[in-house]
Amino acid sequence: ETGVTQTPRHLVMGMTNKKSLKCEQHLGHNAMYWYKQSAKKPLELMFVYNFKEQTENNSVPSRFSPECPNSSHLFLHLHTLQPEDSALYLCASSQIWRYSPLHFGNGTRLTVT
Amino acid sequence: TQLLEQSPQFLSIQEGENLTVYCNSSSVFSSLQWYRQEPGEGPVLLVTVVTGGEVKKLKRLTFQFGDARKDSSLHITAAQPGDTGLYLCAGPNAGGTSYGKLTFGQGTILTVHP
Repeated sequence: ETGVTQTPRHLVMGMTNKKSLKCEQHLGHNAMYWYKQSAKKPLELMFVYNFKEQTENNSVPSRFSPECPNSSHLFLHLHTLQPEDSALYLCASSQIWRYSPLHFGNGTRLTVT
Repeated sequence: TQLLEQSPQFLSIQEGENLTVYCNSSSVFSSLQWYRQEPGEGPVLLVTVVTGGEVKKLKRLTFQFGDARKDSSLHITAAQPGDTGLYLCAGPNAGGTSYGKLTFGQGTILTVHP
């Protein structure tokens, strides 16, 4: 399997649930990212990991908790979300060099009820 | 805060027509990237422009980076239904290393009718 794979593709959860999003990259990249894509808003960077170390938390609420056990896997743990957190969550990976493009997964469509 | 403004937000045209999408900012960017996103998929890189005034061509797509590196345009010649999608411009966040940490425009939704 190649590229960036995200599971699940769709997720519906209540405000009191706890769930996790999973991302796996098979490209040998050293950086992984979570981006959020909401309707009528630009893609927003949430978290950045370089060589498994978190290097950026873009003022994301603590109800979103990332985990990067190795440079190929990235998780986003979700708990007590709000309806406004409903969005497409995109995982991406890249090499760590200037102008390196992002390689995105196909996203998890999250609906919070 | 760096912002990228894309115009138009929506574009609906007939097959064979030409079109231009614009990406503008008041900030200088060291580079800009263009991505295309199709329904149900993640964005895919089309091109990276890095030099002011640079022009890059990708088949029927022509990308230009402004001389002052504050703007970029995407021109499509003889659009085809397969060009339908969301077009996104993106530039590296100010400060730090220039990779992956991108500011995105809000996108242009292009629909090409057969």
